[in-house]
Amino acid sequence: DTEVTQTPKHLVMGMTNKKSLKCEQHMGHRAMYWYKQKAKKPPELMFVYSYEKLSINESVPSRFSPECPNSSLLNLHLHALQPEDSALYLCASSHSDRLENIQYFGAGTRLSVL
Amino acid sequence: DQQVKQNSPSLSVQEGRISILNCDYTNSMFDYFLWYKKYPAEGPTFLISISSIKDKNEDGRFTVFLNKSAKHLSLHIVPSQPGDSAVYFCAARGLRGNEKLTFGTGTRLTIIP
Repeated sequence: DTEVTQTPKHLVMGMTNKKSLKCEQHMGHRAMYWYKQKAKKPPELMFVYSYEKLSINESVPSRFSPECPNSSLLNLHLHALQPEDSALYLCASSHSDRLENIQYFGAGTRLSVL
Repeated sequence: DQQVKQNSPSLSVQEGRISILNCDYTNSMFDYFLWYKKYPAEGPTFLISISSIKDKNEDGRFTVFLNKSAKHLSLHIVPSQPGDSAVYFCAARGLRGNEKLTFGTGTRLTIIP
């Protein structure tokens, strides 16, 4: 089983709303990732959690706040987003953060900010 | 600065023939390379990978070739099947457990029945 589950699949929010994206995996992976993908662009890394600790933040604005409650769950809390934040948000996980570990992706949450 | 480039945004190949997707990179610190396939409304799916200590890795119909001196890798799919129609991304990672994957811009492969 290489499934990474993301909810919701679609989200529409206003600029003053607070919402959360959720990601779950039950493969025993200890590294989890958030990526952002704009239309016709490659996925871009936002955050990496390794053993439930934030190990990489790619200079993401503070209106995006990640959280890793346990080794199976990863959340992305959204607050005061801008229309340009509309994108596909992808979660991934890997066995660890070692070089040869493969990242497995969820189907993504398509976010529209109005 | 795009460190991983896929110069062909699209490619059409007849079913049964060989599909060759190309990828170039500029960062000499990249040490591990992966190919992902993406269908619409789904996340990227891992296909095949190669470490920089190898020049070829094969898995069924998929073969990845790495030319380190040219900073070039390619994915060969043979024979191509209609289900192979998707967007293909190459990705690269650096040394020493750097978790960051840098993706190319993708190539849309269409297999013509």
